[in-house]
Amino acid sequence: GENVEQHPSTLSVQEGDSAVIKCTYSDSASNYFPWYKQELGKRPQLIIDIRSNVGEKKDQRIAVTLNKTAKHFSLHITETQPEDSAVYFCAASSPGGGNKLTFGTGTQLKVEL
Amino acid sequence: GAVVSQHPSWVICKSGTSVKIECRSLDFQATTMFWYRQFPKQSLMLMATSNEGSKATYEQGVEKDKFLINHASLTLSTLTVTSAHPEDSSFYICSASTGGNSGYTFGSGTRLTVV
Repeated sequence: GENVEQHPSTLSVQEGDSAVIKCTYSDSASNYFPWYKQELGKRPQLIIDIRSNVGEKKDQRIAVTLNKTAKHFSLHITETQPEDSAVYFCAASSPGGGNKLTFGTGTQLKVEL
Repeated sequence: GAVVSQHPSWVICKSGTSVKIECRSLDFQATTMFWYRQFPKQSLMLMATSNEGSKATYEQGVEKDKFLINHASLTLSTLTVTSAHPEDSSFYICSASTGGNSGYTFGSGTRLTVV
């Protein structure tokens, strides 16, 4: 089955700096890669996603890049703000895997003033 | 947008009892429901996938007789934790899909504490 690895597990940045979180996946048939932000005790919130027919997608301060050949994708947050502090999860799904989402291990992002 | 209502949001039960968690899709038909368990400071781990009217498919290591899943309609899926033990204490969360990987809508989660 699919295996998703995520790094780093914790990330501390100064307000205004950029943050980058990286994930790799194992199933070359995976074609959907969402990123979620989860605050303590809350449901995951979709912040951006990308499909395998696209290499990059941007939404204001958030961008995601996908390298299908290397099977890795990354989340980029620019101009970080204290409210960006949360746990971020990457995920992957493939039609052959029943479209179930396999999550990465998570990154605790802390944006310091 | 799509909304999934999950209840209860938290529950405390005694060891040996059973607890039922409900997830309802309020404004769309959930062809597929995914059930996850999340331990503190860990990731979401898929427990099972259920399709309306079919038996659930459980992930390796998940006891199907302990975690009963029912998906009798396109708007309701339930997870029953039977004979709960303290080690079952966790955050349980459902995610509904209309099919394919067109989008996943998460419930608000249930914090289960077994004492």
